[in-house]
Amino acid sequence: GAGVSQSPSNKVTEKGKDVELRCDPISGHTALYWYRQSLGQGLEFLIYFQGNSAPDKSGLPSDRFSAERTGGSVSTLTIQRTQQEDSAVYLCASRDTSSGNTIYFGEGSWLTVV
Amino acid sequence: SQQGEEDPQALSIQEGENATMNCSYKTSINNLQWYRQNSGRGLVHLILIRSNEREKHSGRLRVTLDTSKKSSSLLITASRAADTASYFCATVSGQKVTFGIGTKLQVIP
Repeated sequence: GAGVSQSPSNKVTEKGKDVELRCDPISGHTALYWYRQSLGQGLEFLIYFQGNSAPDKSGLPSDRFSAERTGGSVSTLTIQRTQQEDSAVYLCASRDTSSGNTIYFGEGSWLTVV
Repeated sequence: SQQGEEDPQALSIQEGENATMNCSYKTSINNLQWYRQNSGRGLVHLILIRSNEREKHSGRLRVTLDTSKKSSSLLITASRAADTASYFCATVSGQKVTFGIGTKLQVIP
C-alpha cells in the first residue's frame, strides 16, 4: 500500500488477555517505530527497528510488551496479560532512512482493556 | 522533563489570528520536525528544519530553530477553523525520534 497500515483499528479486550497489533510499513522503509499515546497525552516511544540491527527496546514499559519485525517489513506488537492501564492508541511509523527524514504514521490501533 | 516539550499545552484563538507554539528540548539534534494530529489518530508531517537552519517556511507555516537555546517555534498565520488539531514537535537525534506532549490548538470560527 501507499501508506503505513495498522490493524486492528480498534480492539476491546478483557483484562488478562493477550493482544497482537500489526503494522505494515511503507514498502522499502528500513526504520519502523512503535509509539503509545494515552488519551490526550503525547507520544511515548516504545521500540525502534532499523534494518537488520538489534531493535532499540528501551521504551517498552514492562516485560509484558514485546515486538518483532519479520523479514524487515511487517511488525507485530504483542501485549501479554493486558492491564487497564494498557488502554491507549498504539501508533506505528516508518521512515526511509537512506533518503529522507520524514516519518510516516499509520492511523493507529485503539486498544481498550476492560 | 521529557525531550521536546511544547508550550502552551492548549491554545484557543479566533479564526484569522496567528498561532504560535513553542518547543524546547534538551539534547543535541540532527533536525526537528513538527507534526499535526487530528482526533488522536495518525500524525501528519508538516515541516522539517535541520540543525544548521534557523528559519523555514511552508505556506502559512513558519518554523524557527535556535540551537543555542534548544528551542523551536511554529507559527501558523491567518488561522482557519480547519487548523484545529494537536501539534507536536519531534526531535531527531541519530535514529531516535522523540515527541513532546503537544499543543492543542482550537481555532474558533
